[in-house]
Amino acid sequence: EVQLVESGGGLVQSGGSLRLSCAASGFNFDAHWMNWVRQAPGKGLEWVANINRDGSVKHYVDSVKGRFTVSRDNARNSLYLQMNSLRAEDTAIYYCVRDYWSYFDHWGQGTLVTVSS
Amino acid sequence: EIVMTQSPATLSVSPGERATLSCRASQSVGSDLAWYQQKPGQAPSLLIFDVSSRATGIPARFSGSGSGTEFTLTVSSLQSEDFGVYYCQQYNGWPRTFGQGTKVEIK
Repeated sequence: EVQLVESGGGLVQSGGSLRLSCAASGFNFDAHWMNWVRQAPGKGLEWVANINRDGSVKHYVDSVKGRFTVSRDNARNSLYLQMNSLRAEDTAIYYCVRDYWSYFDHWGQGTLVTVSS
Repeated sequence: EIVMTQSPATLSVSPGERATLSCRASQSVGSDLAWYQQKPGQAPSLLIFDVSSRATGIPARFSGSGSGTEFTLTVSSLQSEDFGVYYCQQYNGWPRTFGQGTKVEIK
């Protein structure tokens, strides 16, 4: 069974940093691109970033470029999101999402990031 | 950026009735279109990929159609467990983008 378990969310002040982690199990982690998708309270879904199988290719939504960095450790079956210079508008649930031929076939339960201004 | 627009924002449907949800892309996305369902307090889950292919375990009452810029998700006979918010998403271009969602509620 595919499992994606996020951790690392919490309350942080504006301008601060946070590192999210996602522990993957139940599938060959290094065979899949991986994504981060977020959802602000009461709002819709926003794709944030993704990373290819070996970590050499990364894409970001414009609003986080230069502030967020996605990475992975295939030996640990883990995905990460380093978030710097956080803003109030980054407040959201962050989901770790498996990529399957570019669509999103498995989602974690999410971790809540709250940025206080 | 490809903008995805869903309509209506809210759809009130009685159990057993047909529900039709629409999704429009600001430019062609070919067949690179997925639909997701989100129930309150839960993560989204994949319903449909490549416009019309049902994900594993998705019942046949869910069907997708369309191409290019106009897409439709149809639920032929709505069940109580089908109420929630539905999102379309394109994976043809960067960034990946979602529609704003259609909330399907009990009439």
